[in-house]
Amino acid sequence: DAKTTQPPSMDCAEGRAANLPCNHSTISGNEYVYWYRQIHSQGPQYIIHGLKNNETNEMASLIITEDRKSSTLILPHATLRDTAVYYCIVKAAGNKLTFGGGTRVLVKP
Amino acid sequence: GAVVSQHPSWVICKSGTSVKIECRSLDFQATTMFWYRQFPKQSLMLMATSNEGSKATYEQGVEKDKFLINHASLTLSTLTVTSAHPEDSSFYICSADGQGQETQYFGPGTRLLVL
Repeated sequence: DAKTTQPPSMDCAEGRAANLPCNHSTISGNEYVYWYRQIHSQGPQYIIHGLKNNETNEMASLIITEDRKSSTLILPHATLRDTAVYYCIVKAAGNKLTFGGGTRVLVKP
Repeated sequence: GAVVSQHPSWVICKSGTSVKIECRSLDFQATTMFWYRQFPKQSLMLMATSNEGSKATYEQGVEKDKFLINHASLTLSTLTVTSAHPEDSSFYICSADGQGQETQYFGPGTRLLVL
């Protein structure tokens, strides 16, 4: 599966949108982009995934560039409870999830 | 999303004893379950993949005789840490994937402390 690159950390203000970038320049045509987050001392929580179209659910929006080499996870109105490590993972259906370092997001009041 | 539970949530044991951790999919049938380990300030590392009714597939460097995995039903997988030592102290997390599920869903994790 393709490797992803994420910034190690970022801060965002409570109530504002949080935009989390992810680069995956070697992504293959059959690989999906998945986002999970892990709040301290808990198991990872699934957020969203997509192949090439932008996706939105009750938690977040996923914007994938036309060339699929990068994507952005958008938390529309960040709350203190969104403080977590966010993982961007690229994999084909049926393959294993491989976790990288992720982005440590701190939402500040 | 689907719900996966783990039991116990934390356990303390003496060195040399064995510890069993259960992972259950509560509202779907898990054809595949995964076991991860996470040390402090590190990312999750996949230990093994198990399919219902068959032997688990272990990742490189994971001792299969030390970390026994059983996936006897479509809703239950167990991880037994045999002859635990202090270096086995870690956060163990399971996940499950199954029919009708978009992706893997994770349990809340089990924190193991070996004294």
